[in-house]
This record gives sequence, structure tokens and C-alpha cells, in this order.
Amino acid sequence: NAGVTQTPKFRVLKTGQSMTLLCAQDMNHEYMYWYRQDPGMGLRLIHYSVGEGTTAKGEVPDGYNVSRLKKQNFLLGLESAAPSQTSVYFCASSTRDRVFDEQYFGPGTRLTVT
Amino acid sequence: KNQVEQSPQSLIILEGKNCTLQCNYTVSPFSNLRWYKQDTGRGPVSLTIMTFSENTKSNGRYTATLDADTKQSSLHITASQLSDSASYICVVSGDNYGQNFVFGPGTRLSVLP
Repeated sequence: NAGVTQTPKFRVLKTGQSMTLLCAQDMNHEYMYWYRQDPGMGLRLIHYSVGEGTTAKGEVPDGYNVSRLKKQNFLLGLESAAPSQTSVYFCASSTRDRVFDEQYFGPGTRLTVT
Repeated sequence: KNQVEQSPQSLIILEGKNCTLQCNYTVSPFSNLRWYKQDTGRGPVSLTIMTFSENTKSNGRYTATLDADTKQSSLHITASQLSDSASYICVVSGDNYGQNFVFGPGTRLSVLP
């Protein structure tokens, strides 16, 4: 049981380049999330998904796109990277439990845009 | 605006000592409050989850308290160990869905031998 995995772990991009971050979970969770974590700030939600084929915007969605073609995978895309997107990106997943949806986080992807 | 503030920003203690981390929030409505531990280079891991009706909850040497009236929470760590060195993040939610979580900036704890 790997839990939540993210690839790649590190990436350096030049301004204007594109890339896709992959998140995979093997816990059969309905909900998946993409966050970014910047120094001195709390995690901020970029996009999320409540099920296969669905996506929705979070707090800071501009400059990012997502897709959830399979239940176990959630992809985060940067079409034209900007230095402001330098951050650590975390994926998380959770159940659809109405009482406590415990979130499980991946190890993160450190992205630097030069 | 929904906000979660944590203090201190960072803390250094000696191994074996106790410490208390603070969390103040203005999230409304309130459903639950969570504390996460985040080791360097890793994702956050849940320590405790408390609803508005719970005043305290323990997980081993970690004890969280909640005062929903004053909108304050604390995380007490007893007999600290080197492995407690991490960031501790307070998260408040108005419901049980992750899209509505408000994360605090975290307190960076360093435990020295």
C-alpha cells in the first residue's frame, strides 16, 4: 500500500515552459486535492476533485489546470510556467466520509521556475 | 476573512522538555480543527481531529485542546523527542470537506539533544 505518490520529486523549469505533475493514490479515495506551500504561508488549495471525471477550482487556480480521468490519478498542469509558481506542491486524497474526511498527503514536488 | 494564526513561528527546546503550541482562528462556521505534523521534505500527517463539542484529544505524547468560545486551540507535546522536530500545522474547517480547509502557517519546532 503506497498511499499517495507524486512524480516528479523535483523539477526546474524555465519561464514559459510547461509540465505536468502526477499524483496517484491506491486507497480508492473519492476526493483528491492539489495544494501549494510557500514559505510563511499555510497550504493553499489550487484545484480539487470529488470523483472521477470531475474537477473544481480552489483558492488559487490561476495558471493551473487539472484532470481526473481515472479515480486513482489526479494531474496538475502548468501550461506556461512563471516564477511565481515556484513552490512545493502537495497532492492529497480523502474518503467521502461525512464525519471525518482524513486527508492523506503525498511527499510533495519541489518546483523551481527560473 | 477566514484565517488561522499560529504562535510561536518557531521554537527550540531540549529533548525531554514539554512545549505548547498555539492556534487562533477566525473561521466561521466552525466544524472541526485538526493538527498535522510535517517533517522536513514530507507531506503533513494528521495528529488529531476535534469537533466543536470536544475540549481535548490525545494521541500518545500529543494532546490537543480546543476552546470553541474563544476560538483557540493548543497542542501540548510531552517529554519531547528528537523525532518531534517538525512543523506543526493547525487546520480549521467549516465543514468536513477538504475544499474548505483553512491552513495555518505552522510552528517550526526544533528539539535539541
